[in-house]
Amino acid sequence: EAEVAQSPRYKITEKSQAVAFWCDPISGHATLYWYRQILGQGPELLVQFQDESVVDDSQLPKDRFSAERLKGVDSTLKIQPAELGDSAMYLCASSYLWGQETQYFGPGTRLLVL
Amino acid sequence: SQQGEEDPQALSIQEGENATMNCSYKTSINNLQWYRQNSGRGLVHLILIRSNEREKHSGRLRVTLDTSKKSSSLLITASRAADTASYFCATVPKGGSNYKLTFGKGTLLTVNP
Repeated sequence: EAEVAQSPRYKITEKSQAVAFWCDPISGHATLYWYRQILGQGPELLVQFQDESVVDDSQLPKDRFSAERLKGVDSTLKIQPAELGDSAMYLCASSYLWGQETQYFGPGTRLLVL
Repeated sequence: SQQGEEDPQALSIQEGENATMNCSYKTSINNLQWYRQNSGRGLVHLILIRSNEREKHSGRLRVTLDTSKKSSSLLITASRAADTASYFCATVPKGGSNYKLTFGKGTLLTVNP
């Protein structure tokens, strides 16, 4: 069964450093989502792509976070500089069509900022 | 901001017992979904119920929706140790065009063998 791939699975970095996360959605899925999940909370949407275009980035801290999906397939989420409060799980999800309700999640990247 | 709120925050039961989790939300919805998350992993979609539906079943799962009370419940029957996980409800708002999911804080279910 096709899955959403994410790497790395774990990342430890020092504050003020740059970090990047990669996501490869299920083949053919046009919509891609990045979520942040703080321990003990539910995921919160950071950014949503439809193909290569950003649909919603209202919750993305744009002073330090950036996301791209240049060819409308895989995507990268970057944080620069990282802060202690960025320690969280970063989840990528995809869905087949704009508006398809079921989202398929990857295993996530656990980030620890020291 | 999180729209859904699960209750209880944590639930511990014995294998074979039923587990019931509740979700309340604030604004009108297009649909409500339940997801499961095993410790340190991604989320898995369990079931989706639309605003015009009142009950849905999937295997050992039963979901109800009461739009007048803005609440939903997830029942897992004959629980197994493998059901140990966090369970989240997520809502898609009525109207709008990007089907943005808003998750609650989750219920941590522990099934003891």
